[in-house]
Amino acid sequence: GQQVMQIPQYQHVQEGEDFTTYCNSSTTLSNIQWYKQRPGGHPVFLIQLVKSGEVKKQKRLTFQFGEAKKNSSLHITATQTTDVGTYFCAGRPDSSYKLIFGSGTRLLVRP
Amino acid sequence: EAQVTQNPRYLITVTGKKLTVTCSQNMNHEYMSWYRQDPGLGLRQIYYSMNVEVTDKGDVPEGYKVSRKEKRNFPLILESPSPNQTSLYFCASSLFPSQAGYGYTFGSGTRLTVV
Repeated sequence: GQQVMQIPQYQHVQEGEDFTTYCNSSTTLSNIQWYKQRPGGHPVFLIQLVKSGEVKKQKRLTFQFGEAKKNSSLHITATQTTDVGTYFCAGRPDSSYKLIFGSGTRLLVRP
Repeated sequence: EAQVTQNPRYLITVTGKKLTVTCSQNMNHEYMSWYRQDPGLGLRQIYYSMNVEVTDKGDVPEGYKVSRKEKRNFPLILESPSPNQTSLYFCASSLFPSQAGYGYTFGSGTRLTVV
């Protein structure tokens, strides 16, 4: 079936270091969304990417959608302790209403 | 405040005792969905609804039922809970998914333990 793979599963960084999480889909996506879940919390929508090769920025966060619309990445520059949480990508395959979530990347930041 | 409200937040129950987890949204969203979250498995969709009286199975529907009699409510029913349904459950809603830019709004979650 359709899958969205996300790596790495965990990332432990020193505060100030950069962080990247990657998503790969087995099928072409019409769009991809990113969510953040703080420890003990619920997923919160961050952004949606729709166009091939699209890049969007939110302060220290940079989101990219691949040219083939099958992969995406989230990059955080100079991590802070407030970035701690699990980051999920979620892709919507072409011609589908379903949103398929990746398994998430858990980010831990050492102060 | 725009939100998705789930109840209860925590529930411990025994095998076989029917239970309902309620979900209500105040944003007039057409689309609602239930997910379960288990360590290492991410969010897996149980059921979803594209509008009133329209529901469909997600990836892991076995052992669950839903109904959508009103636009705002989407309860999750476990007719005969089993220990493998111990999990963290999230309800989510959105405007109709084809509209670009609209993500899901999630409820605060229900942690269910079946003993």
